[in-house]
Amino acid sequence: NAGVTQTPKFRVLKTGQSMTLLCAQDMNHEYMYWYRQDPGMGLRLIHYSVGEGTTAKGEVPDGYNVSRLKKQNFLLGLESAAPSQTSVYFCASSYSRTLNTEAFFGQGTRLTVV
Amino acid sequence: EDKVVQSPLSLVVHEGDTVTLNCSYEVTNFRSLLWYKQEKKAPTFLFMLTSSGIEKKSGRLSSILDKKELFSILNITATQTGDSAIYLCAVGVLTGANNLFFGTGTRLTVIP
Repeated sequence: NAGVTQTPKFRVLKTGQSMTLLCAQDMNHEYMYWYRQDPGMGLRLIHYSVGEGTTAKGEVPDGYNVSRLKKQNFLLGLESAAPSQTSVYFCASSYSRTLNTEAFFGQGTRLTVV
Repeated sequence: EDKVVQSPLSLVVHEGDTVTLNCSYEVTNFRSLLWYKQEKKAPTFLFMLTSSGIEKKSGRLSSILDKKELFSILNITATQTGDSAIYLCAVGVLTGANNLFFGTGTRLTVIP
């Protein structure tokens, strides 16, 4: 049972480069989320999706785009990476946004922008 | 502004000690409070609390919520080195873009 899988696990980008982070879940969850974790800041929500074909902005969406073409996948894109986007990125999924269910997290992607 | 505050920020104890981690919150449309343990990578779920005064327990860990005073505590008894981790508190809300507000975490280090 894989749960939530993120790829890649590590990446170093130069300023201005683009990349896509992939999140895949095999639990048939409706809701998926992308968070970033920075020292002293906790986990902050970037974008989320309440179902296939839908996305919405979270707390810190600037500089990122997302897509949810298939229910099991949630992609996070950086069009023009900046050093301020150096962070650890976590994908999560949950069965329902309104029911009392916990979110399951992927292993994280450590991104460094130089 | 919704916020979740955890204390202490870090804690160092000896094996066998008992620790209490604190989480206070101010959010609108409170739905639930969750505790996660984060070792090297993904946060792993510990507890979800929705009702005041009902203790949730799992082995040496227990947690309780006070919805009147807007806080929760996580207790760990007879600590072991394997308990060393960052403990995250998150508050779930019913509406708005951010349905889980996270605190900054408490880093617990248990030394032999």
